[in-house]
Amino acid sequence: DAGITQSPRHKVTETGTPVTLRCHQTENHRYMYWYRQDPGHGLRLIHYSYGVKDTDKGEVSDGYSVSRSKTEDFLLTLESATSSQTSVYFCAIGGLAGSEYQETQYFGPGTRLLVL
Amino acid sequence: GESVGLHLPTLSVQEGDNSIINCAYSNSASDYFIWYKQESGKGPQFIIDIRSNMDKRQGQRVTVLLNKTVKHLSLQIAATQPGDSAVYFCAESPYGQNFVFGPGTRLSVLP
Repeated sequence: DAGITQSPRHKVTETGTPVTLRCHQTENHRYMYWYRQDPGHGLRLIHYSYGVKDTDKGEVSDGYSVSRSKTEDFLLTLESATSSQTSVYFCAIGGLAGSEYQETQYFGPGTRLLVL
Repeated sequence: GESVGLHLPTLSVQEGDNSIINCAYSNSASDYFIWYKQESGKGPQFIIDIRSNMDKRQGQRVTVLLNKTVKHLSLQIAATQPGDSAVYFCAESPYGQNFVFGPGTRLSVLP
């Protein structure tokens, strides 16, 4: 998985609780991404980061926030989890440090989240 | 494992045969494309990429063909093996912009 770890790998939580997912990379890639994957849909971008403290929204960002305080870590927070956020969440990295382009993306192993 | 896609199109091929998986992309401005393989319960795995200044690119047992005229991408897998069974999806990226991912095709290799 190209030096990408995600934690936790599985989580069950209740509606209304906050949840934070962590993505950690050892590859020094500039870009980091959070996607969700649901049956019948392609991967959909939630948020991405193009550097430390530099983040932007993706296609399905409502209800999610992110933070990147270090190159290697990208956190995804569900402020108040809802059942519609039950999904598999993937982190991806791309673009070596110093690269101007996003280039190839490599994915982590995923986090399966169930919101009851 | 989780269901990557409950109603994905499925391609069934005999072990040893060649597989061709197709993808129609949406944006004529897309200039970079990637094929990913995703096995059940795992993250997408990079297979091969191609830029819009190329029509064909070959890897180990895989070939990607790009037809910009009709916005079509295909992945050819030679001598398909049981380990090739997975969901395959394409991703397109307009210059410098975020990727858009297709829903995928499930490849089933029959013994």
